[in-house]
Amino acid sequence: AQSVTQLGSHVSVSEGALVLLRCNYSSSVPPYLFWYVQYPNQGLQLLLKYTSAATLVKGINGFEAEFKKSETSFHLTKPSAHMSDAAEYFCAVSHGGSQGNLIFGKGTKLSVKP
Amino acid sequence: NAGVTQTPKFRILKIGQSMTLQCAQDMNHNYMYWYRQDPGMGLKLIYYSVGAGITDKGEVPNGYNVSRSTTEDFPLRLELAAPSQTSVYFCASIGTRRDTQYFGPGTRLTVL
Repeated sequence: AQSVTQLGSHVSVSEGALVLLRCNYSSSVPPYLFWYVQYPNQGLQLLLKYTSAATLVKGINGFEAEFKKSETSFHLTKPSAHMSDAAEYFCAVSHGGSQGNLIFGKGTKLSVKP
Repeated sequence: NAGVTQTPKFRILKIGQSMTLQCAQDMNHNYMYWYRQDPGMGLKLIYYSVGAGITDKGEVPNGYNVSRSTTEDFPLRLELAAPSQTSVYFCASIGTRRDTQYFGPGTRLTVL
């Protein structure tokens, strides 16, 4: 069975600091991996996705993530946090060859301090 | 394209009432999904559909029903609302490559 674990339900960084949100997955087949962002009272917006091409994936708003098979990880990073990055971030896994169903992590709420 | 739309945005129900959450997409996607989101729990899949006339249960289907009579619409029905169904409900759809789900803005439902 597939699963996703996001380490840290809350992460707080200062503006301009590195953002690192952790995601580990388990999957018996090569996974598709996703990061979604949710701003308050809004739906989910895709940040980036890994679908077995390049292991370093660049997304919107300066975010990127690296797929590390040996560590079963797909951590999300951004070199310099901005106040507008404050939101909740969800990691998700899918084996896209089937119905495309997503398994979500519990989410990490990112706070950015001025 | 409007993408994925959901109505209503907010609703308060009394215990035992019924209602239908509407979801529509204009991207000609075959695959559609209903999730519920509870605080600190991420999103859980309720039902999904791989095309008109075909639906299947997800992780948490109890208390819900769906139908898919057209490609565009995927309504979610609550027959006897219970407080445990207080949640935010998201509809999503995916195209033929099945690699990116597009989400609607959500419906916030409270059952009192």
